[in-house]
Amino acid sequence: SQTIHQWPATLVQPVGSPLSLECTVEGTSNPNLYWYRQAAGRGLQLLFYSVGIGQISSEVPQNLSASRPQDRQFILSSKKLLLSDSGFYLCAWSKGQVFYGYTFGSGTRLTVV
Amino acid sequence: GNSVTQMEGPVTLSEEAFLTINCTYTATGYPSLFWYVQYPGEGLQLLLKATKADDKGSNKGFEATYRKETTSFHLEKGSVQVSDSAVYFCALSASSSGSARQLTFGSGTQLTVLP
Repeated sequence: SQTIHQWPATLVQPVGSPLSLECTVEGTSNPNLYWYRQAAGRGLQLLFYSVGIGQISSEVPQNLSASRPQDRQFILSSKKLLLSDSGFYLCAWSKGQVFYGYTFGSGTRLTVV
Repeated sequence: GNSVTQMEGPVTLSEEAFLTINCTYTATGYPSLFWYVQYPGEGLQLLLKATKADDKGSNKGFEATYRKETTSFHLEKGSVQVSDSAVYFCALSASSSGSARQLTFGSGTQLTVLP
């Protein structure tokens, strides 16, 4: 069966520090991968998606970036965090042409202080 | 473009009450529709889905019917439990550039069920 792992679960970082959040999927190949952010009390904002290794599409201009160095690995990064980067970050995957929705990871709670 | 409008919360109900959370959408073509649930501190879980008009999705006592004529996908449950307290998101899928299908989410509705 397919599983998705996201880590760390919680993170407290100072303003101006770098960020690296990792997401991996097991049990499938060539998934579509997504990063979402959920600000406190708000809905979900799509940040990046990827249809293959090295292919990244950005939905929202910001100081975050994403990379996909391997088929089932998706990384969210920042060189210098801002206070406004605080939130709940969710990774998700979907598969193929027949669309059954996303499967989400358990999320990372990021607090920038 | 595609959009989802959800009933604003928070919604507070007593245990065993009837639940309706309204969801309407705007989309081109024939989207698939979804309800996701998010329990405190967790990621989102797929609750139910419908892929074509008049389909009814159901799971754990929750139901929603894909109504193309009213562009709606309202979530219902006949008797809610305390354990149903969570945030509920309505979403639709649509094609995008490239081959990745994307989900467009509503803003979420917080449900609290009191014993």
